Amino acid sequence: SQQGEEDPQALSIQEGENATMNCSYKTSINNLQWYRQNSGRGLVHLILIRSNEREKHSGRLRVTLDTSKKSSSLLITASRAADTASYFCATGLTGANSKLTFGKGITLSVRP
Amino acid sequence: SAVISQKPSRDICQRGTSLTIQCQVDSQVTMMFWYRQQPGQSLTLIATANQGSEATYESGFVIDKFPISRPNLTFSTLTVSNMSPEDSSIYLCSVGQAGGGYGYTFGSGTRLTVV
Repeated sequence: SQQGEEDPQALSIQEGENATMNCSYKTSINNLQWYRQNSGRGLVHLILIRSNEREKHSGRLRVTLDTSKKSSSLLITASRAADTASYFCATGLTGANSKLTFGKGITLSVRP
Repeated sequence: SAVISQKPSRDICQRGTSLTIQCQVDSQVTMMFWYRQQPGQSLTLIATANQGSEATYESGFVIDKFPISRPNLTFSTLTVSNMSPEDSSIYLCSVGQAGGGYGYTFGSGTRLTVV
């Protein structure tokens, strides 16, 4: 069963705008990760945030985690056409080498 | 981070036949994961493969349909057996990172179409 639920399911923005994607989950987690998938290819890991962290940055990415609300958000600033992809949140229930449970995914379209 | 070579990248198969997908990792890893992604859907874990022991299958997936081999710490195969059109999906292998701090690496996927 799916652990995460992202919203919105589809997002279309203009290049240069910020994109915010949200993810909710149901159980206690060890970490939450965001991945990008281009055109049905392999997934690329973007960022991982642990359950004891509240915010993390990586380049144009900012992820927040609210364990009390069981939710996370991924912000992509100054979006580019190359950011067009599907984005998935995934939760790890334990530490290293635990299996991941993926949300349904968000399709982001960035218009040039 | 690890690099995974997954083969084949795509295939079109006749129903009733089997396809074996291979994943080669450039470093030794304890556990490998196999996922299925049905058209337009998210990823669903099929099984977790440990070297030297039988794979652990998720609910809804059985060994007779998806046999997995894990002969060493750098290689695994997933076979999709007795295929039907409903097996048309992308299949992906994945490995975690030591310490769990850097996310997981995925193979480039195998796009399977069953006709």
